[in-house]
Amino acid sequence: RKEVEQDPGPFNVPEGATVAFNCTYSNSASQSFFWYRQDCRKEPKLLMSVYSSGNEDGRFTAQLNRASQYISLLIRDSKLSDSATYLCAALWGSGSARQLTFGSGTQLTVLP
Amino acid sequence: DAGVTQSPTHLIKTRGQQVTLRCSPKSGHDTVSWYQQALGQGPQFIFQYYEEEERQRGNFPDRFSGHQFPNYSSELNVNALLLGDSALYLCASSLSPGIYEQYFGPGTRLTVT
Repeated sequence: RKEVEQDPGPFNVPEGATVAFNCTYSNSASQSFFWYRQDCRKEPKLLMSVYSSGNEDGRFTAQLNRASQYISLLIRDSKLSDSATYLCAALWGSGSARQLTFGSGTQLTVLP
Repeated sequence: DAGVTQSPTHLIKTRGQQVTLRCSPKSGHDTVSWYQQALGQGPQFIFQYYEEEERQRGNFPDRFSGHQFPNYSSELNVNALLLGDSALYLCASSLSPGIYEQYFGPGTRLTVT
């Protein structure tokens, strides 16, 4: 079983739709979680950090459920520019020895 | 404010050769991590450098080695290249090992033939 798992999609949604992605993690010691977006052949860009139960930034909301070991990302009023691959990452370790583990990503296409 | 920079952008090598990739962290960042991203996969953690030492290592063989310099820049070296080493190599920097919002460079695309 992979340490961080995501539904690969693709998710094809119309402009203005609300879409949600889930990400599950296997290491219960994971401390923090992150959502990155990655455009085709580009580097991942940090979208949101999740340290407690959740985080909200404009149209984007991330929620953490530690009991069920999953993180979700909700995108409201989706835009064409939201089309990208969304990567979930989990952090574990301590002190100066910490490791970020990524899922394989969920592909989103927002259609006009 | 300069972001993370990496060089070269693209590289083509032959099996068995050695390669060195370079990374300069974002201004003010002292911690550098390296990742390998194969097509259709998420980035896989290779190792992290802080205070010029390797602090954490992922599941990669000893053919993968690195270095961090006093100015916080870093190198990734891969010896005895295999076809399976073809990937996008990403460098990410953070303010410190304990602050884990990482910012990625544009990557080096390595092709091994």
